[in-house]
Amino acid sequence: QVQLQESGPGLLRPSETLSLNCSVFGYSISRGYYWAWIRQSPMRGLEWIGNVYHSSRSSLNPSLESRVSISIDTSKNLFSLTLTSVTAADTAVYFCARQSSATGSYSRWFDPWGPGTPVTVSS
Amino acid sequence: DIQMTQSPSSLSASVGDRVTITCRASLSIDNYLNWYQQRPGKAPNLLIYAASTLQSGVPSRFSGSGFGTDFTLTISGLQPEDFAIYYCQDSYEIPYSFGQGTKLEIK
Repeated sequence: QVQLQESGPGLLRPSETLSLNCSVFGYSISRGYYWAWIRQSPMRGLEWIGNVYHSSRSSLNPSLESRVSISIDTSKNLFSLTLTSVTAADTAVYFCARQSSATGSYSRWFDPWGPGTPVTVSS
Repeated sequence: DIQMTQSPSSLSASVGDRVTITCRASLSIDNYLNWYQQRPGKAPNLLIYAASTLQSGVPSRFSGSGFGTDFTLTISGLQPEDFAIYYCQDSYEIPYSFGQGTKLEIK
């Protein structure tokens, strides 16, 4: 059974850089799949941030791509999110998830998800 | 970006009821539509993908339908554990978008 677990600081000051890790258990990420970051806040709801493939190829939400990078470390079986110049608007619960797809289709879905980690940006 | 609009925003129902939640996309997304359930303090949980395919382990009282711009999630015979928030999500193009959620409450 595949399980994911987010880790990282829960509190940042404005203008700092957020770094989160997602450790994957029960599956070797070098075997495949895309791996995604999603965040949730009362103001913005659920927001897809981006994903990364085991080859390190990534796709990012255009609204965030100037500040976001997603990387993968197959040796540690984890992938990471970096978000620079954070503001209060980046306060949210951050989830990582495995992105699955149907062969020959654009259909993509997220399963399973990590439990989420709350991040607060405040001075 | 594709906009996903769910209706209603909230819904009251009783155990045993049949309920339907609607999700409308701002443009045609074929069948690239998924449904999730989120309980308080938990991560979303996949119920249905590709509009109508039930995820393994999800009870058969959940069903999905639709194509193009209009989609529905139906729960037949509500159980106490079904009272939660439901979200739709499209995967037609990046950025993938989620609906604003439908809160299903006990009447």
